[in-house]
Amino acid sequence: GAVVSQHPSRVICKSGTSVKIECRSLDFQATTMFWYRQFPKKSLMLMATSNEGSKATYEQGVEKDKFLINHASLTLSTLTVTSAHPEDSSFYICSAGPGLAGADEQFFGPGTRLTVL
Amino acid sequence: GDSVTQMEGPVTLSEEAFLTINCTYTATGYPSLFWYVQYPGEGLQLLLKATKADDKGSNKGFEATYRKETTSFHLEKGSVQVSDSAVYFCALSDRMKTSYDKVIFGPGTSLSVIP
Repeated sequence: GAVVSQHPSRVICKSGTSVKIECRSLDFQATTMFWYRQFPKKSLMLMATSNEGSKATYEQGVEKDKFLINHASLTLSTLTVTSAHPEDSSFYICSAGPGLAGADEQFFGPGTRLTVL
Repeated sequence: GDSVTQMEGPVTLSEEAFLTINCTYTATGYPSLFWYVQYPGEGLQLLLKATKADDKGSNKGFEATYRKETTSFHLEKGSVQVSDSAVYFCALSDRMKTSYDKVIFGPGTSLSVIP
């Protein structure tokens, strides 16, 4: 099946710094990638939809200036948490689909655990 | 808007017990339905899916049937194992709504299976 990777798997940073998380589709081209945030013992909250070559579409309540998303190629999307604060600590998960119209399945990355001190 | 509701648990069962996790959905289009599983410390894995009414998805002994009349997609397994301990998410993707496939998740159900 399709594989999606994320890097890094864990990151610890100081408050006020920026952190970049990469999401790659390893064996398929992903026109669209999704970024989710998962709080402890909670469900996944969709943050934004990332389309290759265009601006990301953010869900209501998600600060686009804080969570910068870039989808530079068909296999790579990045999420940058700018000026991170402890409340940004969370598990961030990306997903991607094969890009086929009407395709059902998303493939999820293993997640990145961000801890902001 | 589209939504997914599921029993939140936590659910604790003895090994070899029967498992049911209820899931109902609300959608205006023709959604595909999924069950994802998340093992401790890991990302999500697709467990099974169904794309139209009356389809049954199955995998690793788990089953779920797409019931349009009751807007449900309950997950069942006849005999759970300790290795089934995980969080299970019911989800939908509404192909008619958008040009891409946004997945909407339920709140997740934590399952613990004890020997």
